[in-house]
This record gives sequence, C-alpha cells and structure tokens, in this order.
Amino acid sequence: EPEVTQTPSHQVTQMGQEVILRCVPISNHLYFYWYRQILGQKVEFLVSFYNNEISEKSEIFDDQFSVERPDGSNFTLKIRSTKLEDSAMYFCAEVWMANTEAFFGQGTRLTVV
Amino acid sequence: RKEVEQDPGPFNVPEGATVAFNCTYSNSASQSFFWYRQDCRKEPKLLMSVYSSGNEDGRFTAQLNRASQYISLLIRDSKLSDSATYLCVVNDKAGNMLTFGGGTRLMVKP
Repeated sequence: EPEVTQTPSHQVTQMGQEVILRCVPISNHLYFYWYRQILGQKVEFLVSFYNNEISEKSEIFDDQFSVERPDGSNFTLKIRSTKLEDSAMYFCAEVWMANTEAFFGQGTRLTVV
Repeated sequence: RKEVEQDPGPFNVPEGATVAFNCTYSNSASQSFFWYRQDCRKEPKLLMSVYSSGNEDGRFTAQLNRASQYISLLIRDSKLSDSATYLCVVNDKAGNMLTFGGGTRLMVKP
C-alpha cells in the first residue's frame, strides 16, 4: 500500500525560528491537509489544500503559517516564527476524492525550545 | 462551531470482551463518517468507514444514526492488540475538512 511520507520525523527548533515540514504525497490524490496534535490532546485541523490553493483553514492557521506545493509534488507547511505552543505532532493527510477516507503520514514531532 | 464528542475513557476490558464506543456530532450536514485507530505517538489509521446502513468488518461493527447524529463502534472478542485510542471522524464539507473527536482510549487486559 502506498504511503504518505513526512520529513523530518522529529525537529527541535529554537523559539522564533522558521521551520518547514514536508510531505510527499501519493500520486493521484487531490486534497491535502495539515493537522496537528498537541501531546495528549485531540487531532486539530489546520488547513486544506486543493487545486494548488487553500480551500479551508482553521483559526489556528494564522499569519505565522503557510502551505504550498513548490514543485507540484511535495506539500509543505511553514511556520515563520515558532512559539513554544507550536510544539506538537504535525500530520499531513490526503484524500483522493471528496468524502473518502484520509491517509495520514507518520507525522513530524516539532519541539520548540 | 462543529463538534464531535466522544467519551475519553479509558475503557479497561478483559480479553474476549465486547466493547462499544459512541460518538455524537453537531453538524447535521455532515456527509461522511469514519472510525480511525491511533496508537501512542503514531498517526491515525483508518479502521473503517461508517455507512448509513451499518457495516461490519470482522470483529468490528459500525452504525450511523443520522436522525440522532450518533455513530457507534462495536468490537467483539477483544484482543490485546486492540488496545489503542479510537477516533470518531466526521467530514463536514465535501472533501474539505475532517473533524476529529477527542478519542476513546481502550485498554484490553489479559
């Protein structure tokens, strides 16, 4: 079964630094998402991306965050100036068509110190 | 605000037991429904989709009640390997946003 691949698996960064989380999608998938999960809490929606533009975003996804597909393949989440409270697992997810199940990457554990 | 609510548990059951999880959702326009399983510090993995007519996959049975906005998951003959957190997931808009419940933790003991 094809997998959604995320890199890095773990990143430690200093507060105020920029981080870029990467996701290598499965081909033919149309919808891409970023979710985060703070340790011990629920999985929270950040943003959805369809046809090379943002289609939905949550209140968490403020001006510090951005997403893009720079080369038409990899899907990235950038956090411009990290805060301590950005420490979480970040999951990339994909759906091949509307109302079907989502496939999740293994996650990137971001630790802001 | 769209919510998906689950009893957080934990549910502690012996091997071989039958256990049921419930989930309620607030958005009556929700279109698709899923149960995911999440192991500690791992990504959510699809357990099964939930259809209006109810569906079964081996020891797992899922039910949907649209009128009551209620979803259930039944696990029969629990195995030690079933120990995990079970996430109720609702798709609020066509392909655009999955909303997760907080998860129900299951611990199956020998």
